[in-house]
Amino acid sequence: EPEVTQTPSHQVTQMGQEVILRCVPISNHLYFYWYRQILGQKVEFLVSFYNNEISEKSEIFDDQFSVERPDGSNFTLKIRSTKLEDSAMYFCASREDRAIETQYFGPGTRLLVL
Amino acid sequence: RKEVEQDPGPFNVPEGATVAFNCTYSNSASQSFFWYRQDCRKEPKLLMSVYSSGNEDGRFTAQLNRASQYISLLIRDSKLSDSATYLCVVNEAAGNKLTFGGGTRVLVKP
Repeated sequence: EPEVTQTPSHQVTQMGQEVILRCVPISNHLYFYWYRQILGQKVEFLVSFYNNEISEKSEIFDDQFSVERPDGSNFTLKIRSTKLEDSAMYFCASREDRAIETQYFGPGTRLLVL
Repeated sequence: RKEVEQDPGPFNVPEGATVAFNCTYSNSASQSFFWYRQDCRKEPKLLMSVYSSGNEDGRFTAQLNRASQYISLLIRDSKLSDSATYLCVVNEAAGNKLTFGGGTRVLVKP
C-alpha cells in the first residue's frame, strides 16, 4: 500500500539553526500538508500546498517557515532560525484530489531544538 | 471556545466490553468528520470517516449529530490492540486543513 514517507525520523539542532524536513507524499496525490504536534498536545495545522503554491497557512506558519516542492516527488518544510518552542513532531500529509477528503499522514520527524 | 473538544480520558475498558465516547465541534459549517487513531509517538491513522447517516466498520460505529454538533465513536468487543488515543478530526471547508481534537485515550485491559 502506498504511504507517505518522511526523513529524517529524528533531528536535533541548536537554537537559531536552519532545518529542512523532507516528505515524499503518495505519488498520485495533489494536496500536501504539514502539521505539528508538541509533546502532550493536539495535532495542529501548519500549511497546505496545492498546484505549487500555499493554499492556506495557520498563525504558527510565520516568516520563519517555508515550504517547497523542489521536484516531482519531494515536499519540504524549512524552518529558517529554529526556536526552542519549535520542538515538536512534524507530520506531512497528502490527499489524492479535491473529491476525496481523506488525508494520509507520514510517520513524522521528531525535532528537538536545544 | 475550543474548536474540537474531546474528553481526554483515559477510558479503562475490560477486554470484550463496549466503550463509547463523543466529540463536540464548534463550527456549524464543518463539512467532513473523521476518527483517527494515534498510537504513542506515532502518526495519526484514519480509522473511519463519519457520515450523516452513521456508519459501521466491523466493531466500530460512528455517528454524527449535526444539530447538536457532536460525533461519537463506539467500540464493541474491545481488544487489547484497541488501546490508543482516538482523535476526532473535522474538516471545516472542502479541500483544506484538518482540525484535531485533543484525543480520547482508551486503555483496554485483560
